[in-house]
Amino acid sequence: GAVVSQHPSRVICKSGTSVKIECRSLDFQATTMFWYRQFPKQSLMLMATSNEGSKATYEQGVEKDKFLINHASLTLSTLTVTSAHPEDSSFYICSASAVANTEAFFGQGTRLTVV
Amino acid sequence: GNSVTQMEGPVTLSEEAFLTINCTYTATGYPSLFWYVQYPGEGLQLLLKATKADDKGSNKGFEATYRKETTSFHLEKGSVQVSDSAVYFCALSSYNQGGKLIFGQGTELSVKP
Repeated sequence: GAVVSQHPSRVICKSGTSVKIECRSLDFQATTMFWYRQFPKQSLMLMATSNEGSKATYEQGVEKDKFLINHASLTLSTLTVTSAHPEDSSFYICSASAVANTEAFFGQGTRLTVV
Repeated sequence: GNSVTQMEGPVTLSEEAFLTINCTYTATGYPSLFWYVQYPGEGLQLLLKATKADDKGSNKGFEATYRKETTSFHLEKGSVQVSDSAVYFCALSSYNQGGKLIFGQGTELSVKP
């Protein structure tokens, strides 16, 4: 099956710094990638949808200046949490789909802790 | 808008018990329906899916049938194992939304020996 790799799996950063999370499709070209956020014992909430070569589409309530998403190639999307604060601590998960309207495959997630 | 509602957890069962996790949805058109499983500290794995009414998805002893008349996609397993302990998410995807998924709130399953 298709493989999506997310890196790092865990990161601890100081309040006020920025953190970059990478999402790579290893064996297929991902035209669309999705970023989700999951709070402890809660469901996944879609943050944004990114299409290669264009600006990401953010869900209502998600700050685009705080959560910068780049999808510069068909195999890589990045999420940068800027000026992180403890309330940004969460589990971030990406998914990728090869063709519009097809199944998306998930990365293993990144546990971000801001201290 | 589209939404997914799951039965609340946690659900605690003894090994070899029968499992049902209810899932109902609200959607326009004909969505695809999914069950994902998340083991502690890990990402999501697709467990099974169904893309049209009356389809039955199955994998690893788990089954779910796409019921359009009741807008449901309940997950079942005849005999659970300790290794099935995880959080299970029901999700839907609309055709014109690509791989964008709307998730239910998740149901935590704990299986005791």
